[in-house]
Amino acid sequence: GAVVSQHPSRVICKSGTSVKIECRSLDFQATTMFWYRQFPKQSLMLMATSNEGSKATYEQGVEKDKFLINHASLTLSTLTVTSAHPEDSSFYICSARDPGQGLQPQHFGDGTRLSIL
Amino acid sequence: AQTVTQSQPEMSVQEAETVTLSCTYDTSESDYYLFWYKQPPSRQMILVIRQEAYKQQNATENRFSVNFQKAAKSFSLKISDSQLGDAAMYFCAYRFGNEKLTFGTGTRLTIIP
Repeated sequence: GAVVSQHPSRVICKSGTSVKIECRSLDFQATTMFWYRQFPKQSLMLMATSNEGSKATYEQGVEKDKFLINHASLTLSTLTVTSAHPEDSSFYICSARDPGQGLQPQHFGDGTRLSIL
Repeated sequence: AQTVTQSQPEMSVQEAETVTLSCTYDTSESDYYLFWYKQPPSRQMILVIRQEAYKQQNATENRFSVNFQKAAKSFSLKISDSQLGDAAMYFCAYRFGNEKLTFGTGTRLTIIP
């Protein structure tokens, strides 16, 4: 079964709205979670690394004030797209890794398709 | 910075045949992890196979196997007895320690019935 849950799976909203996406690790504690963005027919681009109890680490070119990340607990990270505009429409996907599992790869959520009208 | 290159944007294979997807990477590290992920039209990321760089033995998972050439920094995926359900985007990925995954650009695999 899924070990990382991402919600919602689909969002359609008006321009100017802020949208929050949740990423939960279901059966392990994730001190680090990752947020990716994927444009159609392209690869996953890392946006930021979410660190529990501290500030997120953003990749170059990602606007911190546009994409707010909060990792308030060991099982939950949220990505808020503030004042969303049509160019923010994309597929957003989170992942988490169980730190106690060595080679254990990242587990991915099922993604959120965001459409801004 | 680490980079991952997949030189085949698209590949196709006849059902039941074998296909090999290419991946090369660049790193200055000696111990790292390599992965192949499958992304079907549902866009769910599914782990196909993983390899630890310090292990010389190539990883195998049922019909999926890799050819890991550390000196050449090559990590190809071989799919044997291709099935219709194998049709998807395939991403090669690199990870050093606990750091982020770096993905290649992907290869779209089509299975011909």
